[in-house]
Amino acid sequence: GQSLEQPSEVTAVEGAIVQINCTYQTSGFYGLSWYQQHDGGAPTFLSYNALDGLEETGRFSSFLSRSDSYGYLLLQELQMKDSASYFCAALYGGSQGNLIFGKGTKLSVKP
Amino acid sequence: DTGVSQDPRHKITKRGQNVTFRCDPISEHNRLYWYRQTLGQGPEFLTYFQNEAQLEKSRLLSDRFSAERPKGSFSTLEIQRTEQGDSAMYLCASSLDAGQFLYGYTFGSGTRLTVV
Repeated sequence: GQSLEQPSEVTAVEGAIVQINCTYQTSGFYGLSWYQQHDGGAPTFLSYNALDGLEETGRFSSFLSRSDSYGYLLLQELQMKDSASYFCAALYGGSQGNLIFGKGTKLSVKP
Repeated sequence: DTGVSQDPRHKITKRGQNVTFRCDPISEHNRLYWYRQTLGQGPEFLTYFQNEAQLEKSRLLSDRFSAERPKGSFSTLEIQRTEQGDSAMYLCASSLDAGQFLYGYTFGSGTRLTVV
């Protein structure tokens, strides 16, 4: 079945830049989304890439390369409040509702 | 709009009992999704509705699980004869029909189920 791979944990310091990678299976792939989830909170939508390239939204950017079956989330000027889990998610095949999530990357931002 | 609301926030039940959760989506969203999340894992798809029609169910969803969205507004998820393995956070999300990926899903805060 379809699955997404992302690192389980990343640690960085305030003010730094961090990149969270996500690889996915190509067959039937439509596009890649990113969600943020703080401990005890609901996942919140960050970005969506349907086409190759970089999408920028403030301090967060997301990138997709269909030829490499790879995407990443780039977080700049890290703040303590960015400590959270980040999930990549993708849609496959003819499904219009089955968004497949990765297992998440827990980002810890240290002072 | 107050976002996606889920009730109850927490539920503790004894093994073998039935439980029902409610989700109220954002009013103008016609798509509604149920996901399950366990500690350290990503949300796992259970089922989704477009208006009142249940269009897709996960193969992981056993016959003990049933979901309804009778008038295309709120939805309920029922688990019959609960098992300890059902303990998880049950998340509801909603989205617009068009732009579901461009604007993303809006998730509720979830119902945490503990089966003892």
